[in-house]
Parts: sequence; structure tokens; C-alpha cells
Amino acid sequence: GQQLNQSPQSMFIQEGEDVSMNCTSSSIFNTWLWYKQDPGEGPVLLIALYKAGELTSNGRLTAQFGITRKDSFLNISASIPSDVGIYFCAGQLRTNAGKSTFGDGTTLTVKP
Amino acid sequence: GAVVSQHPSRVICKSGTSVKIECRSLDFQATTMFWYRQFPKQSLMLMATSNEGSKATYEQGVEKDKFLINHASLTLSTLTVTSAHPEDSSFYICSAREAVSLGYTFGSGTRLTVV
Repeated sequence: GQQLNQSPQSMFIQEGEDVSMNCTSSSIFNTWLWYKQDPGEGPVLLIALYKAGELTSNGRLTAQFGITRKDSFLNISASIPSDVGIYFCAGQLRTNAGKSTFGDGTTLTVKP
Repeated sequence: GAVVSQHPSRVICKSGTSVKIECRSLDFQATTMFWYRQFPKQSLMLMATSNEGSKATYEQGVEKDKFLINHASLTLSTLTVTSAHPEDSSFYICSAREAVSLGYTFGSGTRLTVV
């Protein structure tokens, strides 16, 4: 099946710093999704991207759907302690009945 | 926005018993729901696609007789872990989508511990 490579695996940053993480795939997706998961909870959708080249913001978060449709990045600006958690990218294919393929996650730690 | 309720949030059961986990779409109808399994510090692994009114579709390697899925209504899917063993201990999460144009909403997950 399709594989997603998400990097970095973990990040330790100071409060106020900007963060960038990305996902790449060997094959294309029609939709890219970015989720945040807190310990013991289900993932929460942050941003959904539906078109190649699309750049979308949600507050301090910005994500882009790569032109090749094989990659996406998520940026977090001016990080705060509550940004701590695991961030997952996920890709979907229209032809795959809505199933999502998930990256392995990026664990973000923010030091006050 | 769309809300998916998952119950129970935590369950401890003895080996050999069965456990049922419920996933409800609270304010929308969902013909399709997905069940995932997540091990500590790992990503979500899709187990099966739950289809309202028909049989679930299982991913390769997932035992359908072990993980029984029933999607009897447009707002409820259940996952039953039958004859549970310690290796079934995991975090189980469901997801559903209100509309094709929207992303999937996840339940809050169920932490299953088999002792």
C-alpha cells in the first residue's frame, strides 16, 4: 500500500519559535490532512487540503498541498505550550473509499 | 461541527471475554465509519471500514472473526473484540465523515487493557 514519510520524528523547541514538519509520499494523493493528537485522545483535524498548490491557514497553523500531490507541509508560528502533542499527516485517494493513510507522526515538545 | 462519540473511553477485561466498543455520530448520519488501532508511540493502523447495512471491509491481516463490526444504523457502529487476549490491548479509535467535502472526525478513543 501507499506509504507516507513524515519528518521530523520529534522536535524540542522553545516557546515562541516557529515549527515546520512535512510529509512525502511515493505516490499521489487527492487530499492531505493534518491532525493533532493529545495523549489518550483521538486525533483532531487541524487543516484539510483538497487541491494541489493549495495553501491554507488556521490561526497560527499553515499547511500546503504540494504541486506534485506527493507532499505536504505544516507550519506552526509562535509556538505556545499547548501546541505540545503528536501531529499526524494523512493522505486520501478519491478512489480508495475515503480511507486515510497516516504518517508516523511528529512529536512536538515546547519548552516554556 | 461534527461530533463523534466513542464509548467506553477505558475498559479492562479478563482474557477470554469479549468487549464491545461503540462509535456514534451525534449530529449527522454516517454511512461509512472507520476503525483504527494505535499502539503506544505509533501511528494509526486502519483495521476495517464499517458500512451501514452491509458487511464490514477488513484490512489485510485483520481477523474478521476476532474483531466483529456491526453498523446497524446510520449513527452507530460497534466493534466487538471477541475472546480478548493481552495482545489485543491497545487504543482503538473510530472515525466518521459528515460529508464528502469534509475531513473525517475521530472519536476520543477506547483504551482496552486485557489482563
